Amino acid sequence: EVQLVESGGGLVRPGESLRLSCAASGFTFISHSMTWVRQAPGKGLEWVAYISGHGSPSYYADSVKGRFTISRDNVRDSLSLQMSSLRDEDTAVYYCARVVGYCTGGVCDNWFDPWGQGTLVTVSS
Amino acid sequence: SYELTQPPSVSVSPGQTASITCSGEKLGEKYAAWYQQKAGQSPIIIIYQDKKRPSGIPERFSGSNSGNTATLTISGTQAMDEGDYFCQTWDGTTAVFGGGTKLTVL
Repeated sequence: EVQLVESGGGLVRPGESLRLSCAASGFTFISHSMTWVRQAPGKGLEWVAYISGHGSPSYYADSVKGRFTISRDNVRDSLSLQMSSLRDEDTAVYYCARVVGYCTGGVCDNWFDPWGQGTLVTVSS
Repeated sequence: SYELTQPPSVSVSPGQTASITCSGEKLGEKYAAWYQQKAGQSPIIIIYQDKKRPSGIPERFSGSNSGNTATLTISGTQAMDEGDYFCQTWDGTTAVFGGGTKLTVL
């Protein structure tokens, strides 16, 4: 069974940093790109970042570019999201998801399946 | 930046057909996916590549995509289908979600 388990969420103050992790199991991790998607309380889904199976390339939403870094450890089958300079508007449940499909030559044809249970990040003073 | 527009809410009677639209410029030239999110749960994929259903997704869920609009159709809607539905596509190397549609089965 494919499983994704996020961890690392919590309460931080604006300007601080936080690192999220996602432990993957039940599939060949390196064979899949991975992604982070977030959902602010009571709001819709917002894509955050994408990383290919071997770690490059990676892509980011404009709202987090330069502040967040997605990475992966293909030995430990884990995905990470390093978040810095956090803002109030980064408050959300953060989901990791396996990517099925591809991005190649700047064109992406893929979807996200499955998703983890999410981890809540609260940015507040 | 690329945007996808969904109606905030759709209501349907049990057994009837619900249609949820997702509009974006030349969306028909891209692939669309649909996710269902029930209250308190993580999203799940229900349609990918415009009209394909993952295993385990009931046949009553179908999708289409043409012109500027992708449509999710739920035939014979059941109470268990209540929830939020999100369309998604890629614009180059940026994934884009629609704002979501709350489906109410009255």
